[in-house]
Amino acid sequence: SSELTQPPSVSVSPGQAATITCSANKLGDTYVYWYQQKSGQSPVLVIYQDTKRPSGIPERFSGSNSGNTATLTISGTQAMDEADYYCQAWDSDTASYVFGTGTTVTVL
Amino acid sequence: VQLVESGGGLVKPGGSLRLSCAASGFSFSSYSMTWVRQAPGRGLEWVSSICTSSSYIYNAKSVKGRFTTSRDNAKNSLYLQMDSLRVEDTAVYYCARGKYNWKGDADNWFDPWGQGTLVTVSS
Repeated sequence: SSELTQPPSVSVSPGQAATITCSANKLGDTYVYWYQQKSGQSPVLVIYQDTKRPSGIPERFSGSNSGNTATLTISGTQAMDEADYYCQAWDSDTASYVFGTGTTVTVL
Repeated sequence: VQLVESGGGLVKPGGSLRLSCAASGFSFSSYSMTWVRQAPGRGLEWVSSICTSSSYIYNAKSVKGRFTTSRDNAKNSLYLQMDSLRVEDTAVYYCARGKYNWKGDADNWFDPWGQGTLVTVSS
């Protein structure tokens, strides 16, 4: 995978689920990680190794990865979840890490 | 766990700058470290990762041959020497802790991150 494609924006109502995709050829063959970046702040890891949550990350954050697509799901989205979200993976073709294009989640 | 970057500033194209990242609150010598940058209003871009012993250092194609990552485990510090700077290198540069005892493989995540330091390349 040389480029990780994400939708530019996702809108969700409070309490509903937000789904953010990250796509690349054979992405399921490598681990994917997800970061949350709130406005004016540094990124925070929310998912590692496809599905694992770091300590302190709420259970409403979950991840999956299969085929060409990885998915970050925020269940019961709250206003505090408004942020930019980035996926990250290893690109074996270039021996480098790559971030996704980023998705802005808006809670309406 | 705390990471504090320093050394950013304004530099002319073609110039050099050295960023530092001071780590505390964890066993620095046991973790890989990474630099990530973010141009104003843009997304995240991975720059470089270095393993605990400095045996494995990976660099993005965009900085290869111009930027050098190093670490001093005795001083709990990470460095990024930036030479031949270009306007497009303008960004906030973050240091981040990587995976424990990373061996240069694909599995590596970045947590936590510092507050970042702004590098502006302009004439």
